Amino acid sequence: GAVVSQHPSWVICKSGTSVKIECRSLDFQATTMFWYRQFPKQSLMLMATSNEGSKATYEQGVEKDKFLINHASLTLSTLTVTSAHPEDSSFYICSASWGLTDTEAFFGQGTRLTVV
Amino acid sequence: AQKVTQAQTEISVVEKEDVTLDCVYETRDTTYYLFWYKQPPSGELVFLIRRNSFDEQNEISGRYSWNFQKSTSSFNFTITASQVVDSAVYFCALSETGSSGDKLTFGTGTRLAVRP
Repeated sequence: GAVVSQHPSWVICKSGTSVKIECRSLDFQATTMFWYRQFPKQSLMLMATSNEGSKATYEQGVEKDKFLINHASLTLSTLTVTSAHPEDSSFYICSASWGLTDTEAFFGQGTRLTVV
Repeated sequence: AQKVTQAQTEISVVEKEDVTLDCVYETRDTTYYLFWYKQPPSGELVFLIRRNSFDEQNEISGRYSWNFQKSTSSFNFTITASQVVDSAVYFCALSETGSSGDKLTFGTGTRLAVRP
């Protein structure tokens, strides 16, 4: 299957700082990337959908000014958590796709963010 | 709106026991896809199966089997002769198209603990 790499796998940051998470498709061109968030012992919730070269579409209740998504190339999407607070501590995971192909989604390994 | 319900939050079994994880879904779409993912403690999502709404045949893959009952909107997952390595959180998910380019709606997950 296709490989999606997410970096970093974990990060600890101070409250008020910004953190950038990268999601890369290593062996295919990802026209669409999805960003999910998972709080401890909870389910994965879709935050936003990004298409290469256009603005991301955010799910209801997700602050687009706080969670900046950039999908400037076909192999890289970034999620920046701006002015992070302890309540942003979560597991963030991306998935990538090259279109409406008849395969399952390809997920990154996830990033565990802890804001102290 | 789509919804996936996994009523069992935690299950504990002794090694070699069989265990069934329940999944009930809601959708207005006539065409949809159902998935199961395994999430070990490391956090990554491991794809297990994808099934479309037109295929109600049960599937078996090694110790894993899936029972899709459209009449009851259920897609249950059974692990036969469970092993300690099966300990993980298992998620059932739903999408409209089943392709990699479609977002997933996840259930709340079932945490399975297999004791030696």
